[in-house]
Amino acid sequence: SQQGEEDPQALSIQEGENATMNCSYKTSINNLQWYRQNSGRGLVHLILIRSNEREKHSGRLRVTLDTSKKSSSLLITASRAADTASYFCATESSNDYKLSFGAGTTVTVRA
Amino acid sequence: NAGVTQTPKFQVLKTGQSMTLQCAQDMNHNSMYWYRQDPGMGLRLIYYSASEGTTDKGEVPNGYNVSRLNKREFSLRLESAAPSQTSVYFCASSEGPLNQPQHFGDGTRLSIL
Repeated sequence: SQQGEEDPQALSIQEGENATMNCSYKTSINNLQWYRQNSGRGLVHLILIRSNEREKHSGRLRVTLDTSKKSSSLLITASRAADTASYFCATESSNDYKLSFGAGTTVTVRA
Repeated sequence: NAGVTQTPKFQVLKTGQSMTLQCAQDMNHNSMYWYRQDPGMGLRLIYYSASEGTTDKGEVPNGYNVSRLNKREFSLRLESAAPSQTSVYFCASSEGPLNQPQHFGDGTRLSIL
C-alpha cells in the first residue's frame, strides 16, 4: 500500500515562479526522500531528509519535514522548463526499511 | 559510468509466456530492488535484495521470482505472464538498505497480450 500521498496531483506554473508540493504519510519513518521522473525515464534522487531534520536545501530545492504532522513539502524556486517532470515522495519505514512511494505530482513549467 | 542498466527496454509477451528482466549496477552497491509502476500510481516494491545472497518479498511479489546472481546483477523472472503484469518495471540499487538514496535504471516497458 502507498504510504506517501502527494498534493496536488498536477501543477502548472510559469517559468520563474515557485512550485510547492506536499506529501503526507501515515506511519513512523527513518527518512523521507524526494525523486524526480522525466517522461520515459527512471527516477532520479533529489533530497533525503532524516526524521530528526526539519529542513534541507539543495540548489533551488528546499524540503521541510514535520514529523508531528507526518508531512513534508518540496519547494522548487525560480522554476525552469527543465523542471517539467513528475515528483515523488518516498518514505523509509522505521519498521522494515523499505521505501514506499506516493502517486506523484506532475509539474508543468510553461515558457 | 552507466549506473543501473536494465535490459530489455521494451518487450511484448503473450499470456503464459515466461521471461527474465535483467538488471546490473556498476556502483558496487549492496542492495538492489525491483519495482513496478502503473499509471496513476507510485512505484510498488516487488522484491528486494538487501545484500548479496539474500532476497525478500516486497508489497506485490505474486507471479514473480528473483535471483541475486552476484553483487552486480539482480534479475526478475515472470514464469507465466498475465495481462495484469503489463507495467513498467524499474530496477534500483543503493549502498545499503538504511538511510540511503536509491539509483534507478530507465525501466523495462512490458506489455502482455
